[in-house]
Amino acid sequence: SYELTQPPSLSVSPGQTATITCSGDKLGDKFASWYQQKPGQAPVLVIYRDTKRPSTIPERFSGSNSGNTATLTITGTQAMDEAAYYCQAWDSYTSGVFGGGTKLTVL
Amino acid sequence: QLHLQESGPGLVRPSETLTLTCSVSGDSLSSNNCFWGWIRQPPGETLEWIGSVSYTGSTYYNPSLKSRATISVDTSKSQFSLGLSTVTAADTAVYYCARSYAPACGGDCLDESYFDFWGEGSLVTVSS
Repeated sequence: SYELTQPPSLSVSPGQTATITCSGDKLGDKFASWYQQKPGQAPVLVIYRDTKRPSTIPERFSGSNSGNTATLTITGTQAMDEAAYYCQAWDSYTSGVFGGGTKLTVL
Repeated sequence: QLHLQESGPGLVRPSETLTLTCSVSGDSLSSNNCFWGWIRQPPGETLEWIGSVSYTGSTYYNPSLKSRATISVDTSKSQFSLGLSTVTAADTAVYYCARSYAPACGGDCLDESYFDFWGEGSLVTVSS
């Protein structure tokens, strides 16, 4: 089965750039999405179709996807960005897969 | 504004069937390019896609759950439902319903969709 691999955790200082990676076989040939989840809340879409950002998401969130790696970048990270982040893609056109999640700590 | 709300029992006995319903407001279950899906998250773990139903009525399931999961739609009530049979403690999780959307797609393009609206989640515990 298809797998997406993320680092379990990442720590950054406020104002720094946070880069979260998601690796999978030929992931660049698929569309990647990213979701932010704060404790006790439902996930929220932050990046879709590799690079697109919903209108409600701040510009500091951006994405890329090439080769075997999709990347979520948060430029000028704020304390409110502390959350778990999950990547997601579709395998074999019809099977959804999520990464293991990355816990972002802003300290 | 689209709103999804899960409902169902919070406790299910082992070997029984888990049934959850998602009520949708602010959109039609027949809207073009939309899929309606279920995702679950065991305590402290990652998200797991269970399956989705398309606006055309086609269903798609996670291969690991396909034999136990059933998703159905009742457009008259603006609801879609999940049935998961023969549950065990490993099925204990928060269950989310969500819409996935595939813009500019002329057919069932599940692989081009993304989950743009989610319900708040419903905790289901499997225990005797």
